[in-house]
Amino acid sequence: TQLLEQSPQFLSIQEGENLTVYCNSSSVFSSLQWYRQEPGEGPVLLVTVVTGGEVKKLKRLTFQFGDARKDSSLHITAAQPGDTGLYLCAGASGTYKYIFGTGTRLKVLA
Amino acid sequence: SQTIHQWPATLVQPVGSPLSLECTVEGTSNPNLYWYRQAAGRGLQLLFYSVGIGQISSEVPQNLSASRPQDRQFILSSKKLLLSDSGFYLCAWSKGSRATQYFGPGTRLLVL
Repeated sequence: TQLLEQSPQFLSIQEGENLTVYCNSSSVFSSLQWYRQEPGEGPVLLVTVVTGGEVKKLKRLTFQFGDARKDSSLHITAAQPGDTGLYLCAGASGTYKYIFGTGTRLKVLA
Repeated sequence: SQTIHQWPATLVQPVGSPLSLECTVEGTSNPNLYWYRQAAGRGLQLLFYSVGIGQISSEVPQNLSASRPQDRQFILSSKKLLLSDSGFYLCAWSKGSRATQYFGPGTRLLVL
C-alpha cells in the first residue's frame, strides 16, 4: 500500500517566519502535486513536479521533488497570514490514481 | 475554460436514508472523474474513479456506489446511509493519464 506521510501535522508560526513542510513515501511517484485547501472548499493546485531533483518557485513558495521521486518539500519564505490553510501533497500512482498525503495544517499569526 | 460543479453544498440526512451527490464538469470532454472523502482537516481518501461512461473503479469497500451516466456527470450514491458516511465529499477531474486533478467545491454531508 502506497502512503504519503506529511510532517509536521500542525504548524503555527508568526508572520515573517520561514517554514518547510515535508512529504515522504517509500514508493516512487511519476509526478507529485501540492495543493492548498481553505476550510469548506476544494483543494487548489499550487504546483506539479515531475522530474527527480526538480525545483519550482511560486513567489515565496519553493517546491522540491526528491532525486528518487519518493519525497518532496515545500518551503515558504516570510510567511503571511494569507498562507494559512491545509497543505496537501499528492502522488500519481499508476495511470489514473492519486495518493494523497496526510496533510499539514498551517496557521500564520499576524 | 473548464469548471466543475458539485451539489448540494451541504446535506443533513438521517441514518438509513438514501444519498445522491452530483458532480458535473464543463468545458472539456472525456475527463477522468474522481470521488474523494475527506475527514476533518485531513488528507483525501479516494473512493471511486472513472475513465469513461459506465466505467467505475472502486477503491475501498463501503456503503457507497458511483455511476457515470453521461460523459461529464459523476454521481455518488447510497441506498442506506450510516453515521460513518459523514464527511466532506470532493469531486475532481483530470485529462489524460497522470495528469493534474482539479477539484470541485465539495459537499459536506452530516448523517444523524
